[in-house]
Amino acid sequence: GNSVTQMEGPVTLSEEAFLTINCTYTATGYPSLFWYVQYPGEGLQLLLKATKADDKGSNKGFEATYRKETTSFHLEKGSVQVSDSAVYFCASRADGGSQGNLIFGKGTKLSVKP
Amino acid sequence: NAGVTQTPKFQVLKTGQSMTLQCAQDMNHEYMSWYRQDPGMGLRLIHYSVGAGITDQGEVPNGYNVSRSTTEDFPLRLLSAAPSQTSVYFCASKGTGRRTGELFFGEGSRLTVL
Repeated sequence: GNSVTQMEGPVTLSEEAFLTINCTYTATGYPSLFWYVQYPGEGLQLLLKATKADDKGSNKGFEATYRKETTSFHLEKGSVQVSDSAVYFCASRADGGSQGNLIFGKGTKLSVKP
Repeated sequence: NAGVTQTPKFQVLKTGQSMTLQCAQDMNHEYMSWYRQDPGMGLRLIHYSVGAGITDQGEVPNGYNVSRSTTEDFPLRLLSAAPSQTSVYFCASKGTGRRTGELFFGEGSRLTVL
C-alpha cells in the first residue's frame, strides 16, 4: 500500500539556519503531495502542496519540489525563524477510495533557537 | 468563520466508559474524517464520510463508531473506552470535487483513558 516516510526528529536549528526535512513516498501512480504544519496546541494547517511531477509548492518561505524520479518531496527553507518551531508532516493522497484520504508521515519536530 | 469545531478539548475516562467526541463544520464540506495522533505514529485515519448517510472505515477503526446524519456534524463514539484509546483526536473536512483540496483540521480533543 501507499506510505510516507519522513526524517525523524527532533531537529534543532539556530535562527537563520537552512532547513531540510526529507520526505519520500511509495504509491501506485502519482499522488498529490502535501506538507502540513502543527503549531503547539493547535490542529494541522496546510503549508504547501504539489499535484504533479516537477511541481514546486511554496508558502511562507518554505518550498518543496515533487520529484518523481526519487519519489521525494523534501521541505526546505533558506532561513528559519523562531516562529517556525512546530511539527511538520508530509502527506500523500491515497490512491483510489475517497478523494480526501491522506496518508501522513510520522512528523518531524523542529525547534529553532534564537 | 468557525471552520471545524471539536468538543470537548480535554476528557478523562475510566476503562469501559463510553463517550462521544463532537465535530461540526460550517463550510458545507461533504467530506469529513477522524484521525488519531500518537507519539511516533503520526496521524492515522479512523473513519471518514463523503456525505450525509455515508461512512467508511479508515486504517484504525476498531473500538470506534461514527454516523453522519447531517452535512455539518460527524461525531465519533467510543462505546467502551480502553487505555489504548488514549490519544489526541482530530476531525478534518474538505470540499468534494477538488481532488487536491485542502483538509481543514479542528484543534483536537485530548482523551485520556485510565
